[in-house]
Amino acid sequence: AQSVTQLGSHVSVSEGALVLLRCNYSSSVPPYLFWYVQYPNQGLQLLLKYTTGATLVKGINGFEAEFKKSETSFHLTKPSAHMSDAAEYFCAVISIQGAQKLVFGQGTRLTINP
Amino acid sequence: EAEVAQSPRYKITEKSQAVAFWCDPISGHATLYWYRQILGQGPELLVQFQDESVVDDSQLPKDRFSAERLKGVDSTLKIQPAELGDSAMYLCASSTRSTGNEQYFGPGTRLTVT
Repeated sequence: AQSVTQLGSHVSVSEGALVLLRCNYSSSVPPYLFWYVQYPNQGLQLLLKYTTGATLVKGINGFEAEFKKSETSFHLTKPSAHMSDAAEYFCAVISIQGAQKLVFGQGTRLTINP
Repeated sequence: EAEVAQSPRYKITEKSQAVAFWCDPISGHATLYWYRQILGQGPELLVQFQDESVVDDSQLPKDRFSAERLKGVDSTLKIQPAELGDSAMYLCASSTRSTGNEQYFGPGTRLTVT
């Protein structure tokens, strides 16, 4: 079964600093990969996704992620954090084989310090 | 921009009572999902519909939970009787066949069972 591990349940950075949120997946076959953002008491909004092609994916709000097959990783980055980036971030995968169920990581809460 | 609608946004109920949530997916989206998100965790799939048919309800606690999508459009998720452990955010999402790997989420219903 697919699983997703997000390293660090809570990440805190200063405004203007680099944001790095880590995500690793377990699968013998590279899945489709997603990052979602969730603001308090709201639903999930898709930031970016990787299916095929270029391994560096750019998303909304200045975020990007790089698929690294050799490391089974899909880390999310943003060069300069903004106060509005404070939220919960979820990495998720869908297997391209068998049951195509979206499986989420536990989430990382991002705090931005002024 | 089309959105997934959910109601109510918040619901407080006493244990042993019945509760129902409603979801209206984006027009034309054949696939509809119900997720449960416990505080501090990622969403977990409860049930998936393709049109009016259930395609995956393996994680739905069928002794107390039921879901329907009678006309293949909007959907209702019911809990009867509610238990304290059911307190969570219930999220609805939808997708199209052509973009089945990208799910669009509604704002969710925050359920508190007292």
